[in-house]
Amino acid sequence: GDSVTQMEGPVTLSEEAFLTINCTYTATGYPSLFWYVQYPGEGLQLLLKATKADDKGSNKGFEATYRKETTSFHLEKGSVQVSDSAVYFCALRKRNSGNTPLVFGKGTRLSVIA
Amino acid sequence: ETGVTQSPTHLIKTRGQQVTLRCSSQSGHNTVSWYQQALGQGPQFIFQYYREEENGRGNFPPRFSGLQFPNYSSELNVNALELDDSALYLCASSLRLLADTDTQYFGPGTRLTVL
Repeated sequence: GDSVTQMEGPVTLSEEAFLTINCTYTATGYPSLFWYVQYPGEGLQLLLKATKADDKGSNKGFEATYRKETTSFHLEKGSVQVSDSAVYFCALRKRNSGNTPLVFGKGTRLSVIA
Repeated sequence: ETGVTQSPTHLIKTRGQQVTLRCSSQSGHNTVSWYQQALGQGPQFIFQYYREEENGRGNFPPRFSGLQFPNYSSELNVNALELDDSALYLCASSLRLLADTDTQYFGPGTRLTVL
């Protein structure tokens, strides 16, 4: 079945460091890809998405590019802030019908220290 | 525009009891999906409702059931609670269009603890 694999955390970075969180997927067809963020004690917030190969999603300084050849959607940010501390989830969704659910990875916890 | 809301925020039940969780979808959205997020894990799909009918189900037993109302709000019911049902339950709403480009927007979740 479809699946998403994320790098295991936790990831601890100093403020202004460069962030990469790896995400690879397995799916038939061409899914849409997403990054969601979960702040402590809260639900999930959509961070960015890409719906086809070579698309780049971006938001709040975060970026991810849909790489069909490597089935990857790595999340990057050039300079992290303490406020970026959260759990980040990579997810996919099949595009062949309207009732397909999101399939999530296990999440990567990011801690940014001042 | 009102976002997705869920109630209650927290809930404590004992094994064997029944529980009902509620979700109000974002204004204009016609589809609601429910997910279970166990501690330290990613959310797992339970089921989805579209225009008041179940329209997809994950690998969860029949004691997990739901409803969607004409105003597109939704309930998740769990019977015969088990300890492993302790989790954060997330509701997500979306507007289903002809093209499958809808984005799911999540509520803050209900934290269920089963003792």
